[in-house]
Amino acid sequence: GENVEQHPSTLSVQEGDSAVIKCTYSDSASNYFPWYKQELGKRPQLIIDIRSNVGEKKDQRIAVTLNKTAKHFSLHITETQPEDSAVYFCAARAYSSASKIIFGSGTRLSIRP
Amino acid sequence: GAVVSQHPSWVICKSGTSVKIECRSLDFQATTMFWYRQFPKQSLMLMATSNEGSKATYEQGVEKDKFLINHASLTLSTLTVTSAHPEDSSFYICSARTSGGQETQYFGPGTRLLVL
Repeated sequence: GENVEQHPSTLSVQEGDSAVIKCTYSDSASNYFPWYKQELGKRPQLIIDIRSNVGEKKDQRIAVTLNKTAKHFSLHITETQPEDSAVYFCAARAYSSASKIIFGSGTRLSIRP
Repeated sequence: GAVVSQHPSWVICKSGTSVKIECRSLDFQATTMFWYRQFPKQSLMLMATSNEGSKATYEQGVEKDKFLINHASLTLSTLTVTSAHPEDSSFYICSARTSGGQETQYFGPGTRLLVL
């Protein structure tokens, strides 16, 4: 089955700087890669996703890149703000009848004022 | 976006009792729902995939007789934790996927279970 690895587990950046979170996946059949932001005690919120037919996607300060050959994908947050502090999860899913999403281990991002 | 609700939002029970958690898709039909468990400072671990009108598919290591899942309609799936023990205390989150092969899954707000 799919295995998603994520790093770093914790990340602290100065407000205004960029943050990068990296993930790898094992199942070459995976073709959908969402990223979630989870605040303490709340549900995961989808912030951006990318499909395997695209190498990069951007939405304002957030961008995601995908390298299918290397099975790597990354989240980039630019001009970080205090409200970006949260736990971020990458995930992967193979399009099939099961279509279950497998999560990475999470990155706790802290933005220093 | 689509809305998924869970009930209750939190529950405290005595060891040995059973607890039922409901997951509802409020404005769409969900042929498939997923149940996750999240321990403090850990990731979401998939427990089972719930398919409307058929038996749930459990992930390796998840006891199907302990975590009973029923998906009786296109808008409701239930998870029953039977004979709960303190180690079952966790944050249980469901998600629902719209029918028609859409890839987006919508998460419920989660249920925090504390077993004393």
